[in-house]
Amino acid sequence: AQTVTQSQPEMSVQEAETVTLSCTYDTSESDYYLFWYKQPPSRQMILVIRQEAYKQQNATENRFSVNFQKAAKSFSLKISDSQLGDAAMYFCALVEYGNKLVFGAGTILRVKS
Amino acid sequence: NAGVTQTPKFQVLKTGQSMTLQCAQDMNHNSMYWYRQDPGMGLRLIYYSASEGTTDKGEVPNGYNVSRLNKREFSLRLESAAPSQTSVYFCASSESPGDGYEQYFGPGTRLTVT
Repeated sequence: AQTVTQSQPEMSVQEAETVTLSCTYDTSESDYYLFWYKQPPSRQMILVIRQEAYKQQNATENRFSVNFQKAAKSFSLKISDSQLGDAAMYFCALVEYGNKLVFGAGTILRVKS
Repeated sequence: NAGVTQTPKFQVLKTGQSMTLQCAQDMNHNSMYWYRQDPGMGLRLIYYSASEGTTDKGEVPNGYNVSRLNKREFSLRLESAAPSQTSVYFCASSESPGDGYEQYFGPGTRLTVT
């Protein structure tokens, strides 16, 4: 069974600095996708970034990038130049081919001005 | 496009009461999902519908039923609400199950069962 673990319940970062959120997962498949979703206080779930397991290149979306370590089953999210609007709950999620999305427990990110 | 809409946004029920959460999407997606979100547990899948006319259980289906009314609509019913069902409920849709397709989420329904 696929599992996703986020070991940091809460993180803080100073505005304009960089923060890394950790995620590890377990799957027996070689073909799968990983996601980071952001949930601000409005509760709306927003896709931040997606990584396909068969692609070795780490995904990047503006200030957001991932460090995907397939052998270690690790998928961390780096937020550069943090902004107040980045404050939210961040969820790591995994989907195996033809299967359902499984979420981690989430990490609350606080941004200090 | 409204995306994924859910009604109601908030609901308070007494133990034993029933209710139906409504969800609709206007993106012509094949697959739809119902999740619940509880503190410290992330989102857990209750039921999903891979395509119109099919439904299947997720991780936490007990106490719930679903209906895929047509391609656009997917409802979640609580037949006899229990305090353990106090949660935030999200509906989502995607082009197809798995395969890395992004799931689009509705705004959520906060349900309290007293």
